[in-house]
Amino acid sequence: GAGVSQSPRYKVAKRGQDVALRCDPISGHVSLFWYQQALGQGPEFLTYFQNEAQLDKSGLPSDRFFAERPEGSVSTLKIQRTQQEDSAVYLCASSLGSSGGETQYFGPGTRLLVL
Amino acid sequence: AQSVTQLDSQVPVFEEAPVELRCNYSSSVSVYLFWYVQYPNQGLQLLLKYLSGSTLVKGINGFEAEFNKSQTSFHLRKPSVHISDTAEYFCAVNLSGGYNKLIFGAGTRLAVHP
Repeated sequence: GAGVSQSPRYKVAKRGQDVALRCDPISGHVSLFWYQQALGQGPEFLTYFQNEAQLDKSGLPSDRFFAERPEGSVSTLKIQRTQQEDSAVYLCASSLGSSGGETQYFGPGTRLLVL
Repeated sequence: AQSVTQLDSQVPVFEEAPVELRCNYSSSVSVYLFWYVQYPNQGLQLLLKYLSGSTLVKGINGFEAEFNKSQTSFHLRKPSVHISDTAEYFCAVNLSGGYNKLIFGAGTRLAVHP
């Protein structure tokens, strides 16, 4: 069956440009997560949605980062006025339920390079 | 707050040799523990997880891990590795009873040589 998909797979942006990253979770999955993975590091939590509700955005690095999931399925992570330190791989994951211990299924990621 | 330490950034090993990838965690409350594998240009894939019960957990591709509460460790093992096991391995924790926010270690690069 279809897994988590993300688009674009690669994005090059000039500093100051706005970008939008898309995540299509597995159909029917309640929970959706965004992570940021810097080069040579493990993923770091950005934000969490349960259906359309954003329940945790404690990991968003600044107010330039914004995420939404308006209909409880597809999610978009938007970064305004990109900076070089935003260069990273952005991973999306979904899980069927919302309890701890659930398996998260990850997409292939969007590799963002800010010049 | 929870944290995860993967003690080795790189582990070189010959094909068919055994391997252990080490993971220690820090938490004041009960946690769930996970190992994920990341192949080049692919997303993370779950190898195994510990929620409760038997401390020895078996996963996919012949991997297993043992939860040791007293040592706060969750080391990953495989008795005989293959070239195809070359990848990045991540240990992760989350709060038991909470929602599924994963805290990852920095990763261990396993390089299997012929």
